Amino acid sequence: GESVGLHLPTLSVQEGDNSIINCAYSNSASDYFIWYKQESGKGPQFIIDIRSNMDKRQGQRVTVLLNKTVKHLSLQIAATQPGDSAVYFCAESISNFGNEKLTFGTGTRLTIIP
Amino acid sequence: GAGVSQTPSNKVTEKGKYVELRCDPISGHTALYWYRQSLGQGPEFLIYFQGTGAADDSGLPNDRFFAVRPEGSVSTLKIQRTERGDSAVYLCASSSYAGDNEQFFGPGTRLTVL
Repeated sequence: GESVGLHLPTLSVQEGDNSIINCAYSNSASDYFIWYKQESGKGPQFIIDIRSNMDKRQGQRVTVLLNKTVKHLSLQIAATQPGDSAVYFCAESISNFGNEKLTFGTGTRLTIIP
Repeated sequence: GAGVSQTPSNKVTEKGKYVELRCDPISGHTALYWYRQSLGQGPEFLIYFQGTGAADDSGLPNDRFFAVRPEGSVSTLKIQRTERGDSAVYLCASSSYAGDNEQFFGPGTRLTVL
């Protein structure tokens, strides 16, 4: 589950293994979802996105799965590397050809163990 | 090419003072967003500009917060009578046009109110 405040959910994965980060989103009207990676002292960096008319999308070493029935999003990272260590946020928005403001989840801290 | 830049990177001020935080979006991006990120949390939406106008300021916490974008490029977030609770990282993001969900984030300004 997710926690709030200073206690981010954490996940530790051995280098080379696959990781799965989960996210529950809040608004059933959201139709666009994004995963961001944030390293210490930096702004969020786009990883991969998915629209609500899809349930899976693949990128380089990453896959996003969307389950609209239970409002769940997951990010799979294959063959993890030390550089994958960061905090990962899911974000949701509603496309209205105007204001696509993002609502972010709490985040998960991923640590890759060499 | 150049990404979103924000200045200053760090700002320390005393309670009650006025501060201005600057955002330079990616050249040509018409949409600009401000978010605030408290420690251990995901970013929270503050305000959205499309061109020069603030199209959605529903995330501003109170009337001490104000933002402008007079020429449709650089934006300034202004905070009056700062309070200790305003301490956070203020993030700016831009996207290329209304309806383009992908937002590119700057590195943020870390504001500390003593």
